[in-house]
Amino acid sequence: DTAVSQTPKYLVTQMGNDKSIKCEQNLGHDTMYWYKQDSKKFLKIMFSYNNKELIINETVPNRFSPKSPDKAHLNLHINSLELGDSAVYFCASSSMSSGNKETQYFGPGTRLLVL
Amino acid sequence: SQQGEEDPQALSIQEGENATMNCSYKTSINNLQWYRQNSGRGLVHLILIRSNEREKHSGRLRVTLDTSKKSSSLLITASRAADTASYFCATGLIQGAQKLVFGQGTRLTINP
Repeated sequence: DTAVSQTPKYLVTQMGNDKSIKCEQNLGHDTMYWYKQDSKKFLKIMFSYNNKELIINETVPNRFSPKSPDKAHLNLHINSLELGDSAVYFCASSSMSSGNKETQYFGPGTRLLVL
Repeated sequence: SQQGEEDPQALSIQEGENATMNCSYKTSINNLQWYRQNSGRGLVHLILIRSNEREKHSGRLRVTLDTSKKSSSLLITASRAADTASYFCATGLIQGAQKLVFGQGTRLTINP
């Protein structure tokens, strides 16, 4: 029944490692997003994909690479992890082709801690 | 940089009282939304107001939008302990996708 799900929920890793976070939505939406929430609770958009096409790409280091194999999935791969990457990463989805285009539905978040 | 600035950053009231949170923003928007985040959880959409609207209601929530002042307010009436959470305003601009820019949030505590 989960609308937007993310795996893993928690991720603890060493600096320099490469890790991936996965996101899936079963709402039939065509657009998905990645947000980063830092320790001060600032929430900032990173990427957005619409029908597997990159639409929004904020100023994010090249170490972050999103991949959308289909409309229901948007994964985030992070290379060479740094201490500053520690944050909560939220996936979200919305429908830009029908209905309420403005509302986004968020996943539960992935808490990443880089040691 | 952050678009929205929320005021106050923290608010503590007694159960049953009304809570008002304010949000200001800087650039043009298509809509403004309010989200709630319980501790350690994801964001839940509460209410949306479009740029051509001035006021919206949803249950105990009332949102106003003043585009001339670039500000919005969220009023929660008859607060309950379960309303304890962080509340974020987010301005929306549709550019192929809906780009949401969030404020820093207001931490609301309802005391029983």
